[in-house]
Amino acid sequence: SQQGEEDPQALSIQEGENATMNCSYKTSINNLQWYRQNSGRGLVHLILIRSNEREKHSGRLRVTLDTSKKSSSLLITASRAADTASYFCAPRSKGTGTASKLTFGTGTRLQVTL
Amino acid sequence: EPEVTQTPSHQVTQMGQEVILRCVPISNHLYFYWYRQILGQKVEFLVSFYNNEISEKSEIFDDQFSVERPDGSNFTLKIRSTKLEDSAMYFCASSSGTRNYEQYFGPGTRLTVT
Repeated sequence: SQQGEEDPQALSIQEGENATMNCSYKTSINNLQWYRQNSGRGLVHLILIRSNEREKHSGRLRVTLDTSKKSSSLLITASRAADTASYFCAPRSKGTGTASKLTFGTGTRLQVTL
Repeated sequence: EPEVTQTPSHQVTQMGQEVILRCVPISNHLYFYWYRQILGQKVEFLVSFYNNEISEKSEIFDDQFSVERPDGSNFTLKIRSTKLEDSAMYFCASSSGTRNYEQYFGPGTRLTVT
């Protein structure tokens, strides 16, 4: 696997606003996953987008993937205080096994204020 | 919804002591992982385990570390002689290894070595 680079490092928004965070990676992928980590807790899988998909939705989450630019974005709409967490992307390199390790970057720290 | 559980939630031990961290992965999953996160740093991969043997391990996973699946449900990480720098959150994860590539993480064990 390879490490994704999330941007921005930190994001502060008000409740109800949308939050967009980006991920860039270096080499071709099979898929890319987004995870959330609340402070000091385990990671929670949010959404997976495959390399042949351009956009995917799950509830208030929208993920896009641009393989030509080797980048992905995660949009959280109508944010809530409970969305406050760190968000990580995990690109899975082409040729790696189904269950190979995940490699995490430093993430985007999202703060949603009331 | 099935979840990964870990015990204990917090373990304090003295330098040089052995510790065993326990995990119960999701019951029909086949792949198991340990990750760790030193305070304020990235989540780092330690080891993956499949079919009763280690599939992959990182440089961190040296001879002081071992993993075991002693029965059909538990997955353990043993640190033989703990060092101060082993203080971290340790996360267990499991995956079905099928087309669903996501890994499900436990809540973590905070290990404090004094």
